[in-house]
Amino acid sequence: QVQLLQSGSELKKPGASVKVSCKASGYTFTTYAMNWVRQAPGQGLEWMGWINTNTGNPTYGQGLTGRFVFSLDTSVSTAYLQISSLEPEDTAVYYCATAIVGSTHLDYWGQGTLVTVSS
Amino acid sequence: QSVLTQPPSVSAAPGQKVTISCPGSSSNIGNHYIAWYQQLPGTVPKLLIYDNNKRPSGIPDRFSGSKSGTSATLGITGLQTGDEADYYCATWDSSLNTYVFGTGTKVTVL
Repeated sequence: QVQLLQSGSELKKPGASVKVSCKASGYTFTTYAMNWVRQAPGQGLEWMGWINTNTGNPTYGQGLTGRFVFSLDTSVSTAYLQISSLEPEDTAVYYCATAIVGSTHLDYWGQGTLVTVSS
Repeated sequence: QSVLTQPPSVSAAPGQKVTISCPGSSSNIGNHYIAWYQQLPGTVPKLLIYDNNKRPSGIPDRFSGSKSGTSATLGITGLQTGDEADYYCATWDSSLNTYVFGTGTKVTVL
């Protein structure tokens, strides 16, 4: 069965960087695009963008600055989200989620990674 | 600020029915399939409905989705305490070139 296993919680100071991983199993990695969604504490879901697992081409959501980078290592079926120059407002749970390219639904979700930014 | 504004909360007694509205526009719901997600307290969002009215394997038929013009609706019949959760509509928005989630609706079973 499809599984997305994300890396563990992170506590970072403002200005630091973090790299969240999302390891896929149970399917051919390039079958689905990988999306990233974040949820700030007590808030709703926000789509951050997606990366084409065939081409490696990322698409970033509106308002997402250059501090956010999506990447892949297809040899280990893993997607990454790197956030640099962390701000307290980046504190959130970050989810990876699969989708068939062109579809409008996210089929499978990782368990989420809590990133806390605090001095 | 989402372009899909859902009611903040709905409630009903066990066994009753609730509906959650998701009004949009021609740039999103009007021209794209909609999905609904369920997020039980403290858990990961789960796909509940896709392509307006299809249920993934394992989702009971108590959950239904519909779309009319630029608005979508999620229905839950035979309400159970285990249905208490936040529910989000979502779809692509062609004007924003973004996948948009609704603001979310909390379902409470009285």
